[in-house]
Amino acid sequence: GEDVEQSLFLSVREGDSSVINCTYTDSSSTYLYWYKQEPGAGLQLLTYIFSNMDMKQDQRLTVLLNKKDKHLSLRIADTQTGDSAIYFCAESGTGRRALTFGSGTRLQVQP
Amino acid sequence: GAGVSQSPSNKVTEKGKDVELRCDPISGHTALYWYRQRLGQGLEFLIYFQGNSAPDKSGLPSDRFSAERTGGSVSTLTIQRTQQEDSAVYLCASSLRASALGRTDTQYFGPGTRLTVL
Repeated sequence: GEDVEQSLFLSVREGDSSVINCTYTDSSSTYLYWYKQEPGAGLQLLTYIFSNMDMKQDQRLTVLLNKKDKHLSLRIADTQTGDSAIYFCAESGTGRRALTFGSGTRLQVQP
Repeated sequence: GAGVSQSPSNKVTEKGKDVELRCDPISGHTALYWYRQRLGQGLEFLIYFQGNSAPDKSGLPSDRFSAERTGGSVSTLTIQRTQQEDSAVYLCASSLRASALGRTDTQYFGPGTRLTVL
């Protein structure tokens, strides 16, 4: 079946860039997503990328997709303490309506 | 407008009891999804509703789990004879339509119901 993997933890200093990585196995993935989950809150969609793109930028967020290696990354520029959260990578594929999620990367931003 | 709402926010129950979790999707959204998130893990798909079509139940872990969606809006997830391994946060999401090839419809998530089975 489909599988999405992420590293569990990332710690950065405030003002640095953060890069969160994700790998997936489903070659039919059509859309890939990044969600943010803050403590006690639901998931918030940050951004998504269509599989025929290799980069998408949205303010401080840059998504890079390497479809050949099935690797997705989320770069957060000028990371702030408010960016501390768990970040989930998710994908959807042809014929599947639900998303397949990774286990999440906890980002800790140190002042 | 209002986002996806879920109730209760927290539920503590005893092993063997039945529980009902409720989801109110965003008005006008035809697709509704239930996911489960165990502690420290990602989300597992449970069930999906799209309009009047038969639901996709492929993610339900056992026949103790069932869900309904009445009138194409509110959904109830029922867990019968709860077990300790059912303890998790149950998340509901809705989207305007179901995703299809070449198109995505953003899933908006509710805050979840934290279920604890003692």
